[in-house]
Amino acid sequence: NAGVTQTPKFQVLKTGQSMTLQCAQDMNHEYMSWYRQDPGMGLRLIHYSVGAGITDQGEVPNGYNVSRSTTEDFPLRLLSAAPSQTSVYFCASSRVRPNTGELFFGEGSRLTVL
Amino acid sequence: QQQVKQSPQSLIVQKGGISIINCAYENTAFDYFPWYQQFPGKGPALLIAIRPDVSEKKEGRFTISFNKSAKQFSLHIMDSQPGDSATYFCAARGRTSYDKVIFGPGTSLSVIP
Repeated sequence: NAGVTQTPKFQVLKTGQSMTLQCAQDMNHEYMSWYRQDPGMGLRLIHYSVGAGITDQGEVPNGYNVSRSTTEDFPLRLLSAAPSQTSVYFCASSRVRPNTGELFFGEGSRLTVL
Repeated sequence: QQQVKQSPQSLIVQKGGISIINCAYENTAFDYFPWYQQFPGKGPALLIAIRPDVSEKKEGRFTISFNKSAKQFSLHIMDSQPGDSATYFCAARGRTSYDKVIFGPGTSLSVIP
């Protein structure tokens, strides 16, 4: 049972480049989300989804795009990377029914934008 | 604007001591308050959680105390061990499992022998 899998683990981009961070879960969780982690700021919610075809914005959505075409996958797109997007990104999922409330996290993707 | 406030930012405790981390929130729509533990290079993992209909929940050496009127909750780690050294995040979520989970800024705990 792989849980939540994030790829890539490390990425270096130049300002203005675009890329997609991949997230896949094999637990049939309805709820999926993306967070970024920065020193002193904790985990800040970027976007989340409560099911295929349904997405919503979190606390810091600007500069990021998401879609949810399947239950398993929730990719995060950076359309034009900026140095302020240098961070560690975490994908997390949870079951909605029955509701245990527990978020399962991936191991993170470390992104550096030069 | 931080929806969930957390203090202290860092904490050093001697082995066997009690570690205390405090959190506060403003949004009365929050109805579920988990704590997550994160080791370096790993994703956070659920440690313990509480709902506001109880004032305290204990699991082993970890206890959550909840004060609904003050909109505050805290994590107590009894008999702290070096293996407890990690970053701890408090969080809050609304009443339904469809609601987003908002995290505090985290506390870096170091337990020294």
